[in-house]
Amino acid sequence: AQSVAQPEDQVNVAEGNPLTVKCTYSVSGNPYLFWYVQYPNRGLQFLLKYITGDNLVKGSYGFEAEFNKSQTSFHLKKPSALVSDSALYFCAVRDLSGTYKYIFGTGTRLKVLA
Amino acid sequence: DGGITQSPKYLFRKEGQNVTLSCEQNLNHDAMYWYRQDPGQGLRLIYYSQIVNDFQKGDIAEGYSVSREKKESFPLTVTSAQKNPTAFYLCASSLPGLGSGANVLTFGAGSRLTVL
Repeated sequence: AQSVAQPEDQVNVAEGNPLTVKCTYSVSGNPYLFWYVQYPNRGLQFLLKYITGDNLVKGSYGFEAEFNKSQTSFHLKKPSALVSDSALYFCAVRDLSGTYKYIFGTGTRLKVLA
Repeated sequence: DGGITQSPKYLFRKEGQNVTLSCEQNLNHDAMYWYRQDPGQGLRLIYYSQIVNDFQKGDIAEGYSVSREKKESFPLTVTSAQKNPTAFYLCASSLPGLGSGANVLTFGAGSRLTVL
């Protein structure tokens, strides 16, 4: 079965410091991987995706993620955190077994401290 | 602008009542989804639909029902059989394929249901 794990419930980082939000996955075959962000009482917004190609994917708001096949990871990164980056972040994988299902991790709350 | 509209934003229900949450999209997306969000549990899939007049159960379909009579509409009914319906409900859509925007889920703003 396909699954996604986000091992940290919360990540705290000082403004201006680099941030990393971790995600590991378990899929059969090549994964379609995604990162989304959610602000309070809002829907999720797409940040970036990896389907094929370069392992380093650049997305919205200065975020990037690195696909690592050997470690089955897709960690979200940003070189310099902003207080406005504080939000709930979700990693997701698309089921490629013939359905259009997407499986989400449990989310990581990022808190950027001024 | 294209997008997904969910209504109502807030809904209160008495125990034993059925309620229907609306989800409409004008993105011409083929696939639509309903997720339930509870604190600390991430998003759990209730139902999804890949094409009109077809839908599949997700991981937590018990106590819910859906219909997909039109491509742009995917309403969710929370029935009295759902024992713990208080949650934040999110509707999403996607376009399969190989284009640059393909496979990306677009979400509505959500509907918060509270059972009194």
